[in-house]
Amino acid sequence: GAGVSQSPSNKVTEKGKDVELRCDPISGHTALYWYRQSLGQGLEFLIYFQGNSAPDKSGLPSDRFSAERTGGSVSTLTIQRTQQEDSAVYLCASSSPRDTITYEQYFGPGTRLTVT
Amino acid sequence: AQTVTQSQPEMSVQEAETVTLSCTYDTSENNYYLFWYKQPPSRQMILVIRQEAYKQQNATENRFSVNFQKAAKSFSLKISDSQLGDTAMYFCAFFYNTDKLIFGTGTRLQVFP
Repeated sequence: GAGVSQSPSNKVTEKGKDVELRCDPISGHTALYWYRQSLGQGLEFLIYFQGNSAPDKSGLPSDRFSAERTGGSVSTLTIQRTQQEDSAVYLCASSSPRDTITYEQYFGPGTRLTVT
Repeated sequence: AQTVTQSQPEMSVQEAETVTLSCTYDTSENNYYLFWYKQPPSRQMILVIRQEAYKQQNATENRFSVNFQKAAKSFSLKISDSQLGDTAMYFCAFFYNTDKLIFGTGTRLQVFP
């Protein structure tokens, strides 16, 4: 079946502009995660959704970052007034409620955001 | 708070040889999960192998195996018979009931012909 998809694949924006990044999880996956991967760094957790609720937003770096999920499916990560330090690859992952033994998260290909 | 440390930023290995990537972690929890993910240049994160902390037996997946030392909080990945397609970034990750993976900073592995 189809994997996790993300759009756009690459995004170049000017400092101060708002951007929206989209994630389509695997069908039936109730859990959805956003991570950020800065150059030369590991993945940094941003936010976790269970259904449409976000029980853990602890990783969002500032109030310029927000995310929502609708219909228990698609999620959008919005960054307002982008700064150069927001440049990174943003990865989305999803997992199935049946994977409570393996806890495997399936990742999308990411969106590379460049703020100029 | 849990932390994951990968002390080898880069490693290289000859094709068909064996290489071991190191990972240590810190936690006060007893039941948790550990993962190795591979990230090729395509950016797609691919699960390589997982280990449940309550299992004493080391996990194996074909050419990939782990050496899990719970007391030492060590979780190394051994790749046998290395192939050119194994060239990638490898990330060690920790998971405990917080519904988020905690990643190390990664090891870049280059396999040479």
